[in-house]
Amino acid sequence: DVKVTQSSRYLVKRTGEKVFLECVQDMDHENMFWYRQDPGLGLRLIYFSYDVKMKEKGDIPEGYSVSREKKERFSLILESASTNQTSMYLCASSLTGGWQPQHFGDGTRLSIL
Amino acid sequence: ILNVEQSPQSLHVQEGDSTNFTCSFPSSNFYALHWYRWETAKSPEALFVMTLNGDEKKKGRISATLNTKEGYSYLYIKGSQPEDSATYLCAYTGRSNDYKLSFGAGTTVTVRA
Repeated sequence: DVKVTQSSRYLVKRTGEKVFLECVQDMDHENMFWYRQDPGLGLRLIYFSYDVKMKEKGDIPEGYSVSREKKERFSLILESASTNQTSMYLCASSLTGGWQPQHFGDGTRLSIL
Repeated sequence: ILNVEQSPQSLHVQEGDSTNFTCSFPSSNFYALHWYRWETAKSPEALFVMTLNGDEKKKGRISATLNTKEGYSYLYIKGSQPEDSATYLCAYTGRSNDYKLSFGAGTTVTVRA
């Protein structure tokens, strides 16, 4: 079974802090994704990566950056956390191709105070 | 951001009853339609990926159909059980961006014993 592990289930940070969310997958997937989920909205794509050191903006990249130095690890960085970034963050990975299902981590519920 | 809509937003079902709900998506440029089940405190789990018009997929008591010409998919649950309680997400990807999924907001199903 594919295992996607997110570093924290719950995280509380302060406004202005630099926040790192880590994600590791163990199935050698090329593609990795970061989403956020807010009540009443679908999962919204922040960034994705289709190879090591490659990244592309998703639908809502403002205020975020990412890093993929190794194939198995994809990090989401909140450069200067703000209260409107309080949300559930989900990491996913998949093989290449739109017909490939995505495999998700358990999510990180991030609160910015 | 592509418009993927799910209805209803939520529904309550008596144990043993069958139910169905809808995902609508852009009919042009279709590539694949995904269904995921997201149980509370767990990670979203892939149910089906469908690519061809007329596709029908089945997994136990859950099945799905696809109409790409009119842009909709139905998910059916036969003989609902309490363990079927979850949020069901659909996601669409088009030919021009086969890595990126656009998610609907989900249908939350609550099965009452």
